[in-house]
Amino acid sequence: DADVTQTPRNRITKTGKRIMLECSQTKGHDRMYWYRQDPGLGLRLIYYSFDVKDINKGEISDGYSVSRQAQAKFSLSLESAIPNQTALYFCATSDQGRVTQYFGPGTRLLVL
Amino acid sequence: AQSVAQPEDQVNVAEGNPLTVKCTYSVSGNPYLFWYVQYPNRGLQFLLKYITGDNLVKGSYGFEAEFNKSQTSFHLKKPSALVSDSALYFCAVRAAFSGGYNKLIFGAGTRLAVHP
Repeated sequence: DADVTQTPRNRITKTGKRIMLECSQTKGHDRMYWYRQDPGLGLRLIYYSFDVKDINKGEISDGYSVSRQAQAKFSLSLESAIPNQTALYFCATSDQGRVTQYFGPGTRLLVL
Repeated sequence: AQSVAQPEDQVNVAEGNPLTVKCTYSVSGNPYLFWYVQYPNRGLQFLLKYITGDNLVKGSYGFEAEFNKSQTSFHLKKPSALVSDSALYFCAVRAAFSGGYNKLIFGAGTRLAVHP
């Protein structure tokens, strides 16, 4: 969905490096989410945010942190990347009171 | 436990034939169910959802899904498959999480391959 953008689209980094993945949306939605996708596991929720001042841990938040800089921007950081964080990362948005989430194109991260 | 199962890793179908991608779920309360599709190098695209009402839900690209409460299933269907339908399909269900938030639980995904 072009209304949700993610940068970078691909990233290779080394163990121990700090890395930030960024998400922006023009849908005007209040809620934003970060997921990771691993083969055979579907998508798992890392963090979610209902608004700029409301950030919550998801199922697998260890090793990750987030920042909601504005309603339209939600960044995911790996403070010290490790190889098992190699995955496809998706940002998603939804409108308050609506259940459907809309996803960005994903960031493919490889940690060596 | 709250969960979604997609029992088939891959479904193969000939172009023009009907297709079914299976999904079963386990969740407390009334289920909110979703299907998403992921094309190569693309994000997940919303196909359809069931919240309440008619058990047969129609969505994008000619897809539909049938909700069956007794069988706790929400199978995705299309009467006539196209090669361009080849993609990875995810079923999801809304489930209680924490702090009043209802998260989406995703199945592992089913790869649909439509052959000419």
